[in-house]
Amino acid sequence: GAVVSQHPSRVICKSGTSVKIECRSLDFQATTMFWYRQFPKQSLMLMATSNEGSKATYEQGVEKDKFLINHASLTLSTLTVTSAHPEDSSFYICSAREGTSYGRGYTFGSGTRLTVV
Amino acid sequence: ILNVEQSPQSLHVQEGDSTNFTCSFPSSNFYALHWYRWETAKSPEALFVMTLNGDEKKKGRISATLNTKEGYSYLYIKGSQPEDSATYLCAPGATAGNKLTFGGGTRVLVKP
Repeated sequence: GAVVSQHPSRVICKSGTSVKIECRSLDFQATTMFWYRQFPKQSLMLMATSNEGSKATYEQGVEKDKFLINHASLTLSTLTVTSAHPEDSSFYICSAREGTSYGRGYTFGSGTRLTVV
Repeated sequence: ILNVEQSPQSLHVQEGDSTNFTCSFPSSNFYALHWYRWETAKSPEALFVMTLNGDEKKKGRISATLNTKEGYSYLYIKGSQPEDSATYLCAPGATAGNKLTFGGGTRVLVKP
């Protein structure tokens, strides 16, 4: 089945630095990927929709200059948290849809736990 | 932003018992409803994608029904096993192939 690889799984960074998270579809092409964020005891919140070869679409309230998304190929999308601060500490997870097989649902990565100290 | 509610938030079930829980969502602008199972330390796994009112889908001991007119879906687990312990997420989508809005999930713990 479809597999999405997400790295790193955990990262600790200093306040003010930037962190890049990669989301890679291993055995299928993903023209669209989604980035979510989850705070403790809350649901997955969509941050942005990443489209291959074009600008990402951000949800209301998500700072596009802080959360840079690049989807340069059909198998790779990256989320860069710029100038990270402790309030950016959260769980970030990506998902992708395999082609037009909407009936299969989306395939998720394993998530990244970001801690900013 | 869609208002998606799942209840209960958590559920303790004795092994062998059957259980069910609910996902409520706005019935307007409905396109599809996704169900996912999310086990600890793993990726969410797609269970079902349902689009038609009255639809019923089944995967092993897990099944789901959909009522798009009143905006709810039930997920059933028959003869619960410890490996069914997970958080079950529902997510309606308003347009084809696009973004989903997730509910808070129902955390199921099956006790041996």
